[in-house]
Amino acid sequence: DADVTQTPRNRITKTGKRIMLECSQTKGHDRMYWYRQDPGLGLRLIYYSFDVKDINKGEISDGYSVSRQAQAKFSLSLESAIPNQTALYFCATSVSGRGSNNEQFFGPGTRLTVL
Amino acid sequence: GENVEQHPSTLSVQEGDSAVIKCTYSDSASNYFPWYKQELGKRPQLIIDIRSNVGEKKDQRIAVTLNKTAKHFSLHITETQPEDSAVYFCAASLSGGFKTIFGAGTRLFVKA
Repeated sequence: DADVTQTPRNRITKTGKRIMLECSQTKGHDRMYWYRQDPGLGLRLIYYSFDVKDINKGEISDGYSVSRQAQAKFSLSLESAIPNQTALYFCATSVSGRGSNNEQFFGPGTRLTVL
Repeated sequence: GENVEQHPSTLSVQEGDSAVIKCTYSDSASNYFPWYKQELGKRPQLIIDIRSNVGEKKDQRIAVTLNKTAKHFSLHITETQPEDSAVYFCAASLSGGFKTIFGAGTRLFVKA
């Protein structure tokens, strides 16, 4: 089945370290997103991309960067991790086009702990 | 900025009872309102959605209602079962648009 996958699924790191979270999809969708989930705050958008050459900031992009290496791959980087970036991170995809409702298809999530 | 408020944050019901989760949105241009269910340790998944040209939509035990004038929409679950226990997120977006704004989530507990 076409799916969205994320690696790693769990990561513990130390303050100041550089971390990369990776997302791949076999759905053939053009749009990809990175969200962060914190208890009581829902899902907040970090970055989104409409295609390989398109990168846009979401509502909480500070401290993060992304790379869209191919239509199927979208990576999230934390250049210098800090403890308040401890959260559950979700990658998601959607398809654009006439009649699209922008339903989000989520990956399984990456639980990141920054000590 | 755009905002979606969701209430309650936690809801506990007895098996067989009904559960109602309410959301309000701020962007009057929003015209697509999905609901996602996230079971423990799993990814959020779409369970039902409604467009602004419809006031109510039903799918078996779940229904959504929309009041565009008041900018309110609600999720109704009837005859709740233990497997309905999960976190539910409402959201608002512009159909075909790129940005989906999520509510903070409601943790539903269904007691057997």
